[in-house]
Formats: sequence, structure tokens, C-alpha cells
Amino acid sequence: EDKVVQSPLSLVVHEGDTVTLNCSYEVTNFRSLLWYKQEKKAPTFLFMLTSSGIEKKSGRLSSILDKKELFSILNITATQTGDSAIYLCAVVTSYGKLTFGQGTILTVHP
Amino acid sequence: DGGITQSPKYLFRKEGQNVTLSCEQNLNHDAMYWYRQDPGQGLRLIYYSQIVNDFQKGDIAEGYSVSREKKESFPLTVTSAQKNPTAFYLCASSKDRGSYGYTFGSGTRLTVV
Repeated sequence: EDKVVQSPLSLVVHEGDTVTLNCSYEVTNFRSLLWYKQEKKAPTFLFMLTSSGIEKKSGRLSSILDKKELFSILNITATQTGDSAIYLCAVVTSYGKLTFGQGTILTVHP
Repeated sequence: DGGITQSPKYLFRKEGQNVTLSCEQNLNHDAMYWYRQDPGQGLRLIYYSQIVNDFQKGDIAEGYSVSREKKESFPLTVTSAQKNPTAFYLCASSKDRGSYGYTFGSGTRLTVV
């Protein structure tokens, strides 16, 4: 059975802090790993990672994948209240199945 | 504009009734997916379909049924056998087995009263 595990499940920080969200996985025929941000309804795409060791950046967010150790991290620097959301990690297998982790609930206080 | 349309946005159902959630896409995507989300949690896969007239169970298929008679449509029926159906349901689609990412609908919130 494919498994994706995120940690921590919830995190409370203050504006300006840096956070690191973790995602580990055990799947058959790994193809790619995706990060999403979900605020109210549909998840919003952040990153797609397919190769180990190559950091992807978008503003204050960055992510990297380690295919040997089967994990990924999502970093958010200089957090803002608008970063408060559920962050979802998902893994795609070669058959196209998309499996999500439990999500990390991030709360950023002013 | 292309996208995924889920309807209705909100749905109330009495215990013991079956209900069908609609998901339609005009993106010409081959694959479609149904997920369930409970408050403060991640998405759990119910069913997915890579081609017309074929679908596979996900991790929590019990109490649900689907059909894929047309490429554009992937309706989900929540049956009376589903013990705790109150949840947020998201439909998604992808092209080329996810190589170009996934598109999500805006969801249906089902409440059993």
C-alpha cells in the first residue's frame, strides 16, 4: 500500500519565523512528489519535484527531494499570516495514482 | 476556459439515502480522481479512473461507487453503506498520468442530517 506521512501535523509560529515541513513516502514506482497549499477549497499547486537534490524556489518558499532517503521538505522563510493554511504533500506513481499525506496545519500569528 | 466543475457546492442528505456528486471536466484529461477530506486533515483517495469504462478503488472505497461512461464525467455516489459520509469531497483530473500536474474542482461539502 502506498503511504505518505507528513510531520508535524500542526505548527504554530509567529510572523517572521522560518518553518520546515516534512514529507516521507513509501510507494511503488515513484514518479514525482507534489506540494500543495490549501486554504479553503481546492488545493493550490506549489511545487513538483522529480529529481533528487535540486531545490525549487518560489519567493519565500522552497522545496527539495531526497529519493534515496524517500523524503522531501518544504521551507517557508519570513512567514506571514497569509501563509496560514494546510500544506499537503502528495506522491505520484507511474500509474498516475496520486496519494496525499495527512497534511500539516500551519498557523502564523501576527 | 477549461476546468473542472463540481456540483452541487453544498449538499444535505438524510441518513439512509444515496446521493450522487457530479464532476465534469473539459480539459480532455484522461484520468479523474475522487478524494475525501475531513476537517483539518489531508485528502484520502476514494476512486480513480485512468480511462473510460475503467476505474480502481482507492484507499477508502467502501460505501462509495463511481462510473466512467464518458471521458468528461466521473460521478461519485455516496451510498447508505457509508457510515460517516459527512465530509468535503474533491474531484481532480490529470493528463499523461500526472506528468503535467493535477487540476482540482472546488469541492462539494456533504452533510448528513
